[in-house]
Amino acid sequence: GAVVSQHPSRVICKSGTSVKIECRSLDFQATTMFWYRQFPKKSLMLMATSNEGSKATYEQGVEKDKFLINHASLTLSTLTVTSAHPEDSSFYICSGRPSGTYYEQYFGPGTRLTVT
Amino acid sequence: AQTVTQSQPEMSVQEAETVTLSCTYDTSENNYYLFWYKQPPSRQMILVIRQEAYKQQNATENRFSVNFQKAAKSFSLKISDSQLGDTAMYFCAFMKQKGHSNYQLIWGAGTKLIIKP
Repeated sequence: GAVVSQHPSRVICKSGTSVKIECRSLDFQATTMFWYRQFPKKSLMLMATSNEGSKATYEQGVEKDKFLINHASLTLSTLTVTSAHPEDSSFYICSGRPSGTYYEQYFGPGTRLTVT
Repeated sequence: AQTVTQSQPEMSVQEAETVTLSCTYDTSENNYYLFWYKQPPSRQMILVIRQEAYKQQNATENRFSVNFQKAAKSFSLKISDSQLGDTAMYFCAFMKQKGHSNYQLIWGAGTKLIIKP
């Protein structure tokens, strides 16, 4: 099956610093990638949808200047949490949709971010 | 707005038993997709089964099957001969179209399934 990787799997950073999370589709091209946030024992909350080569579309309530998303290639999207604060601590999951499809999504293993 | 409701926060069954997880959804659309995803303790989200709304036949994948009732907007998941490895959070999801070529998943709150030895 299609594989999506995320790096790092865990990261701890100090308050006020920025953290970048990478999402890669390893064996398919992803025209669209999605970034989710998952709180403990909760469902996934869609943060933004990114299409290769264009600006990401953010969901209501998600600060685009705080959560910078770049989808520069068909296999890589990055999420940068800028000036992180403890309330940004969460589990972040990305998914990729193969080019030419619209209902398939393959998920990365997630990144645990802890801001101290 | 589309919503997905999973009314069972947690379920527990003995190994080898059959268990059914419920899911209802609300939409005014006629064509859509429904999914069940599994999230084990590793947190990796895994697709369990998919159902196209235009298909009357219920989807099956080995021990996993769904009972899709379109008129009732119900989409339950049945796991037969449950195994310890089935222990996970199970999420029901509805796919909606948001703009041209933009499809998004609407997620239920999840059901924690525990398979006891």
